[in-house]
Amino acid sequence: GAVVSQHPSWVICKSGTSVKIECRSLDFQATTMFWYRQFPKQSLMLMATSNEGSKATYEQGVEKDKFLINHASLTLSTLTVTSAHPEDSSFYICSASVMTSGSYEQYFGPGTRLTVT
Amino acid sequence: AQSVTQPDIHITVSEGASLELRCNYSYGATPYLFWYVQSPGQGLQLLLKYFSGDTLVQGIKGFEAEFKRSQSSFNLRKPSVHWSDAAEYFCAANTGGGNKLTFGTGTQLKVEL
Repeated sequence: GAVVSQHPSWVICKSGTSVKIECRSLDFQATTMFWYRQFPKQSLMLMATSNEGSKATYEQGVEKDKFLINHASLTLSTLTVTSAHPEDSSFYICSASVMTSGSYEQYFGPGTRLTVT
Repeated sequence: AQSVTQPDIHITVSEGASLELRCNYSYGATPYLFWYVQSPGQGLQLLLKYFSGDTLVQGIKGFEAEFKRSQSSFNLRKPSVHWSDAAEYFCAANTGGGNKLTFGTGTQLKVEL
């Protein structure tokens, strides 16, 4: 099956620093990847849609200059949280869209827990 | 606006009992529908999906879901729940073509032994 990995699985950083999270599709190519944010005991909130070779499309209310997304290849998308603050602490999940049995579906990574101190 | 609703925030069932998790959608046309499960601190695992055809869909781990157009529902069921089924369950929908998913708020399932 389609496998998506994320690295790191958890990270602690100091306020004001930047953190990069990687999302990789391990056994397939994904032209589209998605980045979600999840607060404790809440649902997933879509942050942005990442398309290979083009600029990401951000959802309303998501600061594109703070959450930098790069989709440099068909198997890798990165999310960089710039000048992180404690309120950026959250669980970040990526997914990759792949054609399966004639239709698209998303496969999710295991998530990255970010704690900003 | 397109939306997915999961009316039950928490559900508790006894091990061995049957389970039904509710999901309703509001879309202009019938969307593609999905059920995902999330264990604590983990990503999401796809249980099953409905695109078209047979309205009763079989998934992994003994789960099934029934699409009912008249009720705009896609409820998840399992005849006999196991303690390992305790997790968060999310219903989601999109309009296909690799489009972004809209998630429901999730249902936390607790299984009593």
